[in-house]
Amino acid sequence: DAKTTQPNSMESNEEEPVHLPCNHSTISGTDYIHWYRQLPSQGPEYVIHGLTSNVNNRMASLAIAEDRKSSTLILHRATLRDAAVYYCILRTNFGNEKLTFGTGTRLTIIP
Amino acid sequence: EPEVTQTPSHQVTQMGQEVILRCVPISNHLYFYWYRQILGQKVEFLVSFYNNEISEKSEIFDDQFSVERPDGSNFTLKIRSTKLEDSAMYFCASSEALGVASPLHFGNGTRLTVT
Repeated sequence: DAKTTQPNSMESNEEEPVHLPCNHSTISGTDYIHWYRQLPSQGPEYVIHGLTSNVNNRMASLAIAEDRKSSTLILHRATLRDAAVYYCILRTNFGNEKLTFGTGTRLTIIP
Repeated sequence: EPEVTQTPSHQVTQMGQEVILRCVPISNHLYFYWYRQILGQKVEFLVSFYNNEISEKSEIFDDQFSVERPDGSNFTLKIRSTKLEDSAMYFCASSEALGVASPLHFGNGTRLTVT
């Protein structure tokens, strides 16, 4: 599986935008970029995914570099509820339905 | 919004005992998964299940583990003879379809403590 690299931790002020980076220099043409998050004492939660173009949904935006070797999850206005571990995961579009979690980025929101 | 529910939230058992962890996936979902997370470690894949068959399993999922969909709503994980190292959070997940565009929906887990 192609690997991703994320910072271990990040801090952000409440009500400020947050940019969570992910490097995936060995990404293949069939890999989708997925983001999940895990709030304290909860199961992982789907956030967003994309292939080549930037994506927006009600939770976040995903900006994908032109060469696809990196991506950034953008939380437009962080709240305390966004404090979680954020996982950047590559999923290959050939029947590999499982997710392989790394260590993710632990996001702390400062009130 | 529909959600995956897991019971019990916490299970304590003695080493060597059998445990069954229960999950009710989202009703129109067809693909089911079990993951586990040992305290302080990564979320690890155990098994995926579709059409009443295991479609993929990890090295962790040895003969002590089994899964079953006994009726149209439940999805269970059985550990036949628990070991201390089976202590972990166990997460059930389901997805509507196969493929990378179909997200997994996770439950909030069962904390298994083996003493």
